[in-house]
Amino acid sequence: GENVEQHPSTLSVQEGDSAVIKCTYSDSASNYFPWYKQELGKRPQLIIDIRSNVGEKKDQRIAVTLNKTAKHFSLHITETQPEDSAVYFCAALSGGSYIPTFGRGTSLIVHP
Amino acid sequence: GAGVSQSPSNKVTEKGKDVELRCDPISGHTALYWYRQRLGQGLEFLIYFQGNSAPDKSGLPSDRFSAERTGESVSTLTIQRTQQEDSAVYLCASSWTSGNVRNEQFFGPGTRLTVL
Repeated sequence: GENVEQHPSTLSVQEGDSAVIKCTYSDSASNYFPWYKQELGKRPQLIIDIRSNVGEKKDQRIAVTLNKTAKHFSLHITETQPEDSAVYFCAALSGGSYIPTFGRGTSLIVHP
Repeated sequence: GAGVSQSPSNKVTEKGKDVELRCDPISGHTALYWYRQRLGQGLEFLIYFQGNSAPDKSGLPSDRFSAERTGESVSTLTIQRTQQEDSAVYLCASSWTSGNVRNEQFFGPGTRLTVL
């Protein structure tokens, strides 16, 4: 089955800095890669996703890049703000499954 | 429109008792998922329902866990003879699926289960 590794487990940055979270996956058939943000005590919410037919997607301060050859994808947050502090989960879904495999999460802390 | 709802929001029970958790998915969403999230941990897949197909139960940790869903509506997750290690937040999510298209999962607020 699919295996998703996520790094780092904790990331601490100063407000205004950029943050990058990386995930690798094992199943070359995976074709959908969502990122979820979970604030403390709240439910996970989708912040951006990418499908395997594109290499990059941006939405304001957030971007995701996908390298299918290397089987890794990354979340980039620019000009970080304290409200970006949360746990971020990456996930991968293969073409043959509707069940996502989640990474273990990255706790992002943005210091004002 | 209304999002995914779950009840109860909190449940405290004694070891050995049975508990039933409820999930109301977004109307029209054919797929429904249950996850377990232990404190400070990731999302552990439990079970997946898709329309009227047989559910994928591959994530259920033991035969004490079971779930039902009637059609494309409400789902209940039942844990029998609860153990302290069952303490966690149980999250439900639903999504709209069509063919090979994978779409966003919308999560409920979760049920925090504490087994004393």
